[in-house]
Amino acid sequence: GAGVSQSPRYKVAKRGQDVALRCDPISGHVSLFWYQQALGQGPEFLTYFQNEAQLDKSGLPSDRFFAERPEGSVSTLKIQRTQQEDSAVYLCASSLRQGHQPQHFGDGTRLSIL
Amino acid sequence: QQPVQSPQAVILREGEDAVINCSSSKALYSVHWYRQKHGEAPVFLMILLKGGEQKGHEKISASFNEKKQQSSLYLTASQLSYSGTYFCGTETAAGNKLTFGGGTRVLVKP
Repeated sequence: GAGVSQSPRYKVAKRGQDVALRCDPISGHVSLFWYQQALGQGPEFLTYFQNEAQLDKSGLPSDRFFAERPEGSVSTLKIQRTQQEDSAVYLCASSLRQGHQPQHFGDGTRLSIL
Repeated sequence: QQPVQSPQAVILREGEDAVINCSSSKALYSVHWYRQKHGEAPVFLMILLKGGEQKGHEKISASFNEKKQQSSLYLTASQLSYSGTYFCGTETAAGNKLTFGGGTRVLVKP
């Protein structure tokens, strides 16, 4: 596609439910990133993939957060047993190559936990 | 550690200039600048690699002073479309991860 596509655009879940957020990066982009953005703040790094390999997951807040990119293209961020503090916008970005490249962002998924 | 952006907000009249600063306590390899409008994706503006080069995008330019670990974004002859929140994102030499500042809200009025 022309840009990074994320779905769903909005997600409302009850506390304790599991959610899955999808990211379709720009075709051919090797690197894929997940960020979490709280209201009024800058994005915070969660995890990074190079092709199908998850090279950095240091930003994942807890073991309830899990990300995968099994075939090196589409990625899924899963949050288990959601908590209210998980409410945020989850942004996905991709870049053509590894290292010091422009990152192109999707519109994000706005997650609200009730 | 998160880079510090200043000012936090600025209001401009169309045609006026503004400068946004981004400072880090870490040794940086590159600085990225993005603009985000409400409810939309951050849009890439430019990337500056260490070496103090200056880059431009329309009437928006930026510089990177690696000795001071500081970057500045210059909005020249601002247009209404420049309104939004500007974020700097910094990378160390290891790369592959951006650490974003808290953002600078820019409002350009007619």
